[in-house]
Amino acid sequence: EIVMTQSPTTLSVSPGERATLSCRASQSVSSNLAWYQQKPGQAPRLLIYDASTRATDVPARFSGSGSGTEFTLTISSLQSEDFAVYFCQQYSNWPLTFGGGTKVEIK
Amino acid sequence: QLQLQESGPGLVKPSETLSLTCIVSGGSINSGRYYWGWIRQPPGKGLEWIGSVYYSGISYDNPSPSLKSRVTISIDTSKNQFSLKLSSVTAADTAVYSCARVLGGRGRHYYLDVWGRGTTVTVSS
Repeated sequence: EIVMTQSPTTLSVSPGERATLSCRASQSVSSNLAWYQQKPGQAPRLLIYDASTRATDVPARFSGSGSGTEFTLTISSLQSEDFAVYFCQQYSNWPLTFGGGTKVEIK
Repeated sequence: QLQLQESGPGLVKPSETLSLTCIVSGGSINSGRYYWGWIRQPPGKGLEWIGSVYYSGISYDNPSPSLKSRVTISIDTSKNQFSLKLSSVTAADTAVYSCARVLGGRGRHYYLDVWGRGTTVTVSS
């Protein structure tokens, strides 16, 4: 199966600053990658699919890039509601696999 | 607005069968555009895809050694719900179990566009 590795595990950022999260695949997944946001006690929310397409109602401050094995989720200016855990998922190969997550916390 | 809600026992004894149901509201489960899947997250670990079911009843399992052909996923379109059974559980099956809608078709699974909040299942005597 394809192993997804996210870095860093924790990212400390001040409100208004830019956050850059990484996701690496153990083999190429082309652009078959999604990003999710999860807050405590809530269901995960789809943010990005096909590596760079924002899901419905996702603010423009969220952007995804990359293809092959290296992907990035960028939050251009962190808002208070953006502090959460973010994880990636590949859907190029079966089974679907997820990264371990990056926690974005307030600095 | 589509919502998914997991239900089932929070405590299961070792060697028994874990049974969970995902109730879908705000939309029909009887759609050829989606699969209906289960995911779990053990404490301190990452997410693991368990498997999915199509509205026709065809299921797709994760061949992972950790699941070892113990998974049964079924669907009841008349009740707008789908279910997970995991047999012969051990402490290693303790996790938060979540259900989700998966965009896909013709056997291809893509991203999970709607999730439930998850339910904690502990395996202990």
